[in-house]
Amino acid sequence: ETGVTQTPRHLVMGMTNKKSLKCEQHLGHNAMYWYKQSAKKPLELMFVYNFKEQTENNSVPSRFSPECPNSSHLFLHLHTLQPEDSALYLCASSQVYSGTNQPQHFGDGTRLSIL
Amino acid sequence: RKEVEQDPGPFNVPEGATVAFNCTYSNSASQSFFWYRQDCRKEPKLLMSVYSSGNEDGRFTAQLNRASQYISLLIRDSKLSDSATYLCVVPNQGGKLIFGQGTELSVKP
Repeated sequence: ETGVTQTPRHLVMGMTNKKSLKCEQHLGHNAMYWYKQSAKKPLELMFVYNFKEQTENNSVPSRFSPECPNSSHLFLHLHTLQPEDSALYLCASSQVYSGTNQPQHFGDGTRLSIL
Repeated sequence: RKEVEQDPGPFNVPEGATVAFNCTYSNSASQSFFWYRQDCRKEPKLLMSVYSSGNEDGRFTAQLNRASQYISLLIRDSKLSDSATYLCVVPNQGGKLIFGQGTELSVKP
């Protein structure tokens, strides 16, 4: 059983819809991440949260809006998406220590299709 | 040099073969490295962490060459189930983990 759970696993939505992706980690980590992975492309880091505070936003369009109410939960709110936003959206968590990098653990992902 | 660069492959090998992938990185101060495995349409899964000169886990060996700034992954006695994309992950100067584009491996009967 994965320590990072994402819902829904699949999502089909129109360009005018509003939906949210949810991520929950059960590993006691203090950092959470959203990644986008398009077909045959590398992972693209979207947002980083350390101790619930957003520490990175990689020039992500405002139609993607993250929310981190606590260190175990992360949301990605979607609004008026474009067809090119169709991709696999992955959530990850890790324990961040000063001076060392710990590996990230991923959820199963949400496969998003925009009609 | 790119922050992390991998040969995209694909590497097509027969069962039982030994195969090695290289990953070059630009941040000479990196102290920790990771190899992930990603199956088609699935999430990346941690395969191995490397904090010193290398690591070995069964048929998998990771070796770090700090002087030349590359890390390799060696797979011995390849199995059909090893077919996947292998991702090299290295921290950049800002401490952020950077994922390589992945090396695709296909093991044939």
